[in-house]
Amino acid sequence: GQQVMQIPQYQHVQEGEDFTTYCNSSTTLSNIQWYKQRPGGHPVFLIQLVKSGEVKKQKRLTFQFGEAKKNSSLHITATQTTDVGTYFCAGPGDFGNEKLTFGTGTRLTIIP
Amino acid sequence: DTGVSQDPRHKITKRGQNVTFRCDPISEHNRLYWYRQTLGQGPEFLTYFQNEAQLEKSRLLSDRFSAERPKGSFSTLEIQRTEQGDSAMYLCASSSEWGGIYNEQFFGPGTRLTVL
Repeated sequence: GQQVMQIPQYQHVQEGEDFTTYCNSSTTLSNIQWYKQRPGGHPVFLIQLVKSGEVKKQKRLTFQFGEAKKNSSLHITATQTTDVGTYFCAGPGDFGNEKLTFGTGTRLTIIP
Repeated sequence: DTGVSQDPRHKITKRGQNVTFRCDPISEHNRLYWYRQTLGQGPEFLTYFQNEAQLEKSRLLSDRFSAERPKGSFSTLEIQRTEQGDSAMYLCASSSEWGGIYNEQFFGPGTRLTVL
């Protein structure tokens, strides 16, 4: 079945440093979604990428979808304490987005 | 609050007991999903409904698990004869379907199940 892996599993950064998480799927994806889960919270949708090579920005966050539509990345510039949480990428199943296969997640902690 | 709601938020039960969770999706959403999340892992898909029809079930969903969505509104997830391995956070999510465009899933706060 489809597998979605993320690296690194954990990332500790000083406040103000940059952060990047990488997502790799075993199969080509029609789209990829990114979610953020704060400690003790539930996943919250961040963005969806659909096109090959697509790049989207949300303030300090930059999302990229690979040319082969099998990998993606999330880059945060100048991290802040509010960025703490686990970032998951998620890809749809065989029948569109009826189910999401979530990546293993990257847990970001910020050292003030 | 017009988000996805789940009840109860926490459930502690003894092994062998039955438990039932409820999810109320965002009212205009016709798709409803159940996921299970254990500590340090990403959510794992269990099942999903489009309106009242259950369209897909994961192999993770053993015969002890059953989900319903009568009238295409709220949904219930029942676990019979609970086992300690069922301890997890059970997340519900909903989404809408329009114009064939993939849409984000909105997650509820989850029900944390502890089986003693």
